[in-house]
Amino acid sequence: EVQLVQSGAEVKKPGESLRISCKGSGYSFTTYWIAWVRQMPGKGLEWMGIIYPGDSDTRYSPSFQGQVTISADKSISTAFLQWSSLKASDTATYYCARREYNTSPLDFWGQGTQVTVSS
Amino acid sequence: EIVLTQSPATLSLSPGERATLSCRASQSVSSYLAWYQQKPGQAPRLLIYDASNRATGIPARFSGSGSGTDFTLTISSLEPEDFAVYYCHQQGTFGQGTKVEIK
Repeated sequence: EVQLVQSGAEVKKPGESLRISCKGSGYSFTTYWIAWVRQMPGKGLEWMGIIYPGDSDTRYSPSFQGQVTISADKSISTAFLQWSSLKASDTATYYCARREYNTSPLDFWGQGTQVTVSS
Repeated sequence: EIVLTQSPATLSLSPGERATLSCRASQSVSSYLAWYQQKPGQAPRLLIYDASNRATGIPARFSGSGSGTDFTLTISSLEPEDFAVYYCHQQGTFGQGTKVEIK
């Protein structure tokens, strides 16, 4: 059974750093892309970026370039999304999802990680 | 960068009615368009891929059509569990969503 299991909810203060994770199982982790998607409270889905764990090829949406870092550790079948200095506007639910090719859909999704940034 | 525009923003219908949702791309995306359903507090779920193919386990009342720049998601007869938000998606872009609500 394909599963993407994300790390738990986080409450942080502005300026703090954070890394959240997405662990894949039930499939070949290195042969599917992992995307990260942001959903701010009451809003729609926003594409942040994507990584191919097989060779760590990473592509960012222009809106998120320089704001976050996407990485993966294929030895533990886990992808990461990290911030070096959080802002209140980073408060959102973050989803990971997998896709096979550039033109493929996001066929399996993680359960989401809620991140709250508040002083 | 491709922009996906969904309409309407909200669709108010009764159970048993037909729902027709639209997604327009700012340039041709061939047939590489997907639709997702999202219910409150849940992750999105893939419904349709490559414009017209139902994902595994998706009921036949959901159908997709279109190619190029104009796409449609149709729910032939709304069930109570179909009231949700629907998003179209192509590579690195999502539409803004259509909320299907109970009238």
